[in-house]
Amino acid sequence: ETGVTQTPRHLVMGMTNKKSLKCEQHLGHNAMYWYKQSAKKPLELMFVYSLEERVENNSVPSRFSPECPNSSHLFLHLHTLQPEDSALYLCASSRSYPGHREQYFGPGTRLTVT
Amino acid sequence: GENVEQHPSTLSVQEGDSAVIKCTYSDSASNYFPWYKQELGKGPQLIIDIRSNVGEKKDQRIAVTLNKTAKHFSLHITETQPEDSAVYFCAAPTWGSGTYKYIFGTGTRLKVLA
Repeated sequence: ETGVTQTPRHLVMGMTNKKSLKCEQHLGHNAMYWYKQSAKKPLELMFVYSLEERVENNSVPSRFSPECPNSSHLFLHLHTLQPEDSALYLCASSRSYPGHREQYFGPGTRLTVT
Repeated sequence: GENVEQHPSTLSVQEGDSAVIKCTYSDSASNYFPWYKQELGKGPQLIIDIRSNVGEKKDQRIAVTLNKTAKHFSLHITETQPEDSAVYFCAAPTWGSGTYKYIFGTGTRLKVLA
């Protein structure tokens, strides 16, 4: 609906697993974002990519590793996660970065770490 | 850096009544304030925004007001309908260490009772 798709929609993984989240935008935007949404906490920006270059790494633990192979695709590689990493992970895109631009969000991946 | 506070955390109104959600911010340099609506199972979606050179902006049943002196801005929804039930987030931009990002409020869960 928003032009931003995320897969999978739900993911359960153990602390020793390795998994990846995928995001794709069909809007021709140049900037893409990963956010973490936890209950009763504000949306937390994790990473920003502009023209496929990482421009923001918001003090995120190294067990989260982003990848942006082109301006339409964004991945978040996960390994040795902790239970407190369970959350909704949202991908977003905008026409450009930085600036007062509308961000278009995907539906999110609900991650549960067991 | 920017700090955004949002109130109330939950709000229940009768269908047809008005709803008001308020946010305060700390950085007097902030000059753009978006509001996002998040429905169940979806990512946030921009519904209205305001820049600091105006005090009010309206779009049908939705309006946003800005008081720069007091550093607060509010979302007003009139003639509420059941489909307005969702979580609403305010945001304000901040520049930190040469990077730009939105600081989001903690969200308001609006329930419109039929």
